Amino acid sequence: EDQVTQSPEALRLQEGESSSLNCSYTVSGLRGLFWYRQDPGKGPEFLFTLYSAGEEKEKERLKATLTKKESFLHITAPKPEDSATYLCAVHLLSSGSARQLTFGSGTQLTVLP
Amino acid sequence: DTEVTQTPKHLVMGMTNKKSLKCEQHMGHRAMYWYKQKAKKPPELMFVYSYEKLSINESVPSRFSPECPNSSLLNLHLHALQPEDSALYLCASSKLTGELFFGEGSRLTVL
Repeated sequence: EDQVTQSPEALRLQEGESSSLNCSYTVSGLRGLFWYRQDPGKGPEFLFTLYSAGEEKEKERLKATLTKKESFLHITAPKPEDSATYLCAVHLLSSGSARQLTFGSGTQLTVLP
Repeated sequence: DTEVTQTPKHLVMGMTNKKSLKCEQHMGHRAMYWYKQKAKKPPELMFVYSYEKLSINESVPSRFSPECPNSSLLNLHLHALQPEDSALYLCASSKLTGELFFGEGSRLTVL
């Protein structure tokens, strides 16, 4: 059975304290892995797409990496405004032509000043 | 600002009401989606339109009825909903092989 698991469920960091969020997947065929940021009561905001093992993407304090079994979202020197829920999602080979994503349960990040 | 616009932002309805949620995108995308999200849970796919052709998540009850009048518009018609249908309803669009872009969502409360 295809599964997407994110850890930890919640993470509290001090401002400037770097850390990583994990997204592990056991899927039969991966067409892409996506990272989103979601603020309370808002729609998810697209961050990164990763397609193949070894790929890396960066944006400001965030860096996403992908292996054959998991993806990491590294946050370097976070600021309070980075507080949000971070979601990963996979697009499976079996899900047809359009981007039908399956989401993990998310990591709720709190960055304290 | 998101380029996927959803209206209304908030909707309160009784179990006997009929209402609709609306979504519009102007990015030229040919795929549009409805997701449902309960508090502290991930979004769950309800419906996909690809080139105005519908794919249905078989677990979605028939009290939810999607409509895609054209490639820029997507509606979700609601009828005889239950209190457990209260959630954030998210619309998204994408190129067929591109990233999904989500709207701000419509917060639905069923009394």
